[in-house]
Amino acid sequence: NAGVTQTPKFRVLKTGQSMTLLCAQDMNHEYMYWYRQDPGMGLRLIHYSVGEGTTAKGEVPDGYNVSRLKKQNFLLGLESAAPSQTSVYFCASSYESLWTEKLFFGSGTQLSVL
Amino acid sequence: SQQGEEDPQALSIQEGENATMNCSYKTSINNLQWYRQNSGRGLVHLILIRSNEREKHSGRLRVTLDTSKKSSSLLITASRAADTASYFCATEGKAAGNKLTFGGGTRVLVKP
Repeated sequence: NAGVTQTPKFRVLKTGQSMTLLCAQDMNHEYMYWYRQDPGMGLRLIHYSVGEGTTAKGEVPDGYNVSRLKKQNFLLGLESAAPSQTSVYFCASSYESLWTEKLFFGSGTQLSVL
Repeated sequence: SQQGEEDPQALSIQEGENATMNCSYKTSINNLQWYRQNSGRGLVHLILIRSNEREKHSGRLRVTLDTSKKSSSLLITASRAADTASYFCATEGKAAGNKLTFGGGTRVLVKP
């Protein structure tokens, strides 16, 4: 049972390049989330999904897009990367409810934008 | 917006000692969660405490919640080197549109 798997683990981009981060969970969880973690700022919510085919904006959605075409996958896209998007990105999922139960996290993607 | 704020930002203790860290928040919450993050890894859930609860235990962990003071504490008893990690509180309440928001964390170093 892998839990929440994120790929890739590391990536370096040049300003203006695009990329997609993949999150996959094998726990049949309904809810999925993307957070970014910057030093001293904790985790900030980028986007989240309450089920297959749905997405919603979080606290810091600008510059990112997401898709949830399959229940087990939640993709985070950067269309034109900027240095301000250098961060560690975490995907998480939860089973029965939004916000009111524990989240299961992936191991993160460290992204550097030069 | 960052609802929960942990204190202290960093803590260094000897193995076997207790470690206490606090989380303060600004507006009413429905629940509060504590997570642990080992270096270079994802967050792992420790305890969830609801607004109508005052204390919860899980192994060597004890979490208290004082809604009148808008604060929570996490106590790790008889600490081990493996407890070295960052600890985050996360709150769910109306201030953030009922979304789960995380504080900046407390870095704990347990020296053998």
